[in-house]
Amino acid sequence: DAGVTQSPTHLIKTRGQQVTLRCSPKSGHDTVSWYQQALGQGPQFIFQYYEEEERQRGNFPDRFSGHQFPNYSSELNVNALLLGDSALYLCASFPEGFRGLNTEAFFGQGTRLTVV
Amino acid sequence: RKEVEQDPGPFNVPEGATVAFNCTYSNSASQSFFWYRQDCRKEPKLLMSVYSSGNEDGRFTAQLNRASQYISLLIRDSKLSDSATYLCVVNRNTDKLIFGTGTRLQVFP
Repeated sequence: DAGVTQSPTHLIKTRGQQVTLRCSPKSGHDTVSWYQQALGQGPQFIFQYYEEEERQRGNFPDRFSGHQFPNYSSELNVNALLLGDSALYLCASFPEGFRGLNTEAFFGQGTRLTVV
Repeated sequence: RKEVEQDPGPFNVPEGATVAFNCTYSNSASQSFFWYRQDCRKEPKLLMSVYSSGNEDGRFTAQLNRASQYISLLIRDSKLSDSATYLCVVNRNTDKLIFGTGTRLQVFP
């Protein structure tokens, strides 16, 4: 059973460029959340997708956008990259019927984005 | 002020030691609580959920004090393999997990 998979694993971009990160959830999971983890910090919630719609959003600017496809996979897009966007981007998936309480989040291995 | 606060450490302890981590959360509406473990340059993985009655899993014991908005994790008989960052996580009955900055543990021989 494949877990949560993310691609690419590493990425280097130039300031001002755009980037797309991808996530395939664990089998049987239909909800995907994205997190940003800066060095030495805990993961920060970006947004969550369910039934192809953004269900909830954290305190991130509109430069951060996403999409969920009918097969539940998801993309995170970041426009006009800043040096401060350098971080580990984590995707977490949750099972069908997930309602938050006491449900384990399964994380992918992350995409390490470096903006130069 | 961060919604979930942890001592970043590092905690350097010898093998066999007992070590305790603490975490406070500011939002009284928080409903569920977890400890996640994160190894260097890896993804977070659930260590254990934390219940009001307290719960134990082998060498690990988690406690929750809702009145003080305080969560703890106790690790007994530390192993070298316990070296990692321990993340305190809360959930406010939404679909958003709120993470602390993590506490780094280093167990030495």
